[in-house]
Amino acid sequence: KNQVEQSPQSLIILEGKNCTLQCNYTVSPFSNLRWYKQDTGRGPVSLTIMTFSENTKSNGRYTATLDADTKQSSLHITASQLSDSASYICVVGGGYNKLIFGAGTRLAVHP
Amino acid sequence: DAMVIQNPRYQVTQFGKPVTLSCSQTLNHNVMYWYQQKSSQAPKLLFHYYDKDFNNEADTPDNFQSRRPNTSFCFLDIRSPGLGDAAMYLCATSRDSSPGTGAYEQYFGPGTRLTVT
Repeated sequence: KNQVEQSPQSLIILEGKNCTLQCNYTVSPFSNLRWYKQDTGRGPVSLTIMTFSENTKSNGRYTATLDADTKQSSLHITASQLSDSASYICVVGGGYNKLIFGAGTRLAVHP
Repeated sequence: DAMVIQNPRYQVTQFGKPVTLSCSQTLNHNVMYWYQQKSSQAPKLLFHYYDKDFNNEADTPDNFQSRRPNTSFCFLDIRSPGLGDAAMYLCATSRDSSPGTGAYEQYFGPGTRLTVT
């Protein structure tokens, strides 16, 4: 069964600290992996998208990694800001027209 | 510059009263999607249009219908909303109908939060 699992489910960190969110997937065939940021009450916004051949991609303070062998991805946030408080969703592109969504990690950045 | 626009942002309807949610895009993308997202859950794809071709997910209830009169607009019709249909409804667009095989990005609108009373 195609699944995307994210951990932790929720996370609280202090402003300025770094954090890493995890994503494990069992999706076949695999095409690409995306990380989205979703603010409360808003639509998801793309942070990164990686294909099979890419193992890291950065977008400002966000750095995503992909290990296609172990089927794991991580999203590292550097020097967190209050505006980073959101849900972060890992999405895996599988076969034709299939995007499999994780349940998300809810991040709260406190001053 | 808004690219995927959803109206209204908040919609309240009565149990059983038909409701229509709208989505428009300025990206000229050929694919448009409707997702349902319940609290603390991942978005669930309801259906998508590739140009005028309608593709329904197997587990999407018949209560949900969609119309795409032109490239820019897509509508979600809920014929008889139940309490379980209260959710955030997200519209998204992309250039390709195979987001799983290509790297084409999906652009999401801000969502419409539907309340059923």
